[in-house]
Amino acid sequence: KAGVTQTPRYLIKTRGQQVTLSCSPISGHRSVSWYQQTPGQGLQFLFEYFSETQRNKGNFPGRFSGRQFSNSRSEMNVSTLELGDSALYLCASRLMPDKNTEAFFGQGTRLTVV
Amino acid sequence: GENVEQHPSTLSVQEGDSAVIKCTYSDSASNYFPWYKQELGKRPQLIIDIRSNVGEKKDQRIAVTLNKTAKHFSLHITETQPEDSAVYFCAASIGSGYSGGGADGLTFGKGTHLIIQP
Repeated sequence: KAGVTQTPRYLIKTRGQQVTLSCSPISGHRSVSWYQQTPGQGLQFLFEYFSETQRNKGNFPGRFSGRQFSNSRSEMNVSTLELGDSALYLCASRLMPDKNTEAFFGQGTRLTVV
Repeated sequence: GENVEQHPSTLSVQEGDSAVIKCTYSDSASNYFPWYKQELGKRPQLIIDIRSNVGEKKDQRIAVTLNKTAKHFSLHITETQPEDSAVYFCAASIGSGYSGGGADGLTFGKGTHLIIQP
């Protein structure tokens, strides 16, 4: 069974640009969550999607948005990029949005904003 | 919202010794506490988890304990080996279930860099 797949693996963008990251969950998993990982702040929850609906959102500005498609694949968008957005963006999939089940992480997308 | 504190940030132990990493959480409604291991350049992977109706769980050399009253939980690794070197993250969440409405995502601690000295 294929794991969680994130594309692209690496991305370099300029301040002010926007970026879209993609996440394909494990087959059959319907919940996708996104996290930002930085050396100083660790792993921070961005948002979670289930059945094409955002179920919860972390404490990030509105420049961070996402969506989920009918096949459970999810995309995350960051507009008007800032230097501080440089981070590893991880998505995690689980079978259902019940938090008491294991979340499987993808390899992440390393975003560098210059 | 939930806040998870994790200590220490770096832990160095001799191979064969035990390692203990501690976390505290703030929201008494949290009921699920997973631990993830992240090796350099790799994705976080679940190593063990515990639910609030259990006080202790063990899986070979790894154990987790939970004290709901004090709102803290700990990871214990015995007989440490070089391959245990990694960053370990604790997390907490409120699992309300699909039919229970909204639920928070996982709130992670800032991580512990475990170094196993040969």
